[in-house]
Amino acid sequence: DTEVTQTPKHLVMGMTNKKSLKCEQHMGHRAMYWYKQKAKKPPELMFVYSYEKLSINESVPSRFSPECPNSSLLNLHLHALQPEDSALYLCASSQDSYLLSGNQPQHFGDGTRLSIL
Amino acid sequence: SQQGEEDPQALSIQEGENATMNCSYKTSINNLQWYRQNSGRGLVHLILIRSNEREKHSGRLRVTLDTSKKSSSLLITASRAADTASYFCATEVSRGGKLIFGQGTELSVKP
Repeated sequence: DTEVTQTPKHLVMGMTNKKSLKCEQHMGHRAMYWYKQKAKKPPELMFVYSYEKLSINESVPSRFSPECPNSSLLNLHLHALQPEDSALYLCASSQDSYLLSGNQPQHFGDGTRLSIL
Repeated sequence: SQQGEEDPQALSIQEGENATMNCSYKTSINNLQWYRQNSGRGLVHLILIRSNEREKHSGRLRVTLDTSKKSSSLLITASRAADTASYFCATEVSRGGKLIFGQGTELSVKP
């Protein structure tokens, strides 16, 4: 069992739909991450939140909109996605991303497998 | 940007044998981490080695880091069928949590 919970596990949506991916952790971690992973490829960082503030945006298209309502929750709002956005979306958390000089392992959820029709 | 290269891309061994995976990177790093990913699951952190460390052990895992060659290796001793998974190295270039993953090694351990 992972300590980072992602819902839903699977999502199929049309290109005109609006949906949200959710991620929750109760480890007291103050850094949370979204990654995108295509089949047989490594994860690619999308966003980093540190102390509920967006600290890194890897030039992700605006059809992906992250939100961090509190230190335990991370959402990814999806709108007008393209077929190439079909992938496994992974959420991760770490104790801190800055104050401990980095060097923190990241804890991953099992991901949401997203299919765009 | 592609920071890490791993080899081999795929490795098939018998149970009980050792497995060695290599990772090379391009820029100075804060630390290097190894993760395992079972099919259809998220990544599991295995070990973190800081830039000023040369070797770390954790159970059957041994990781080395050579910053002069910008390379690292992961050794799994006495492998088990349950070790079958993809293994990724990831580098943290500066504090801030940004990890750049290598392409991964797919390990198959046959019983």
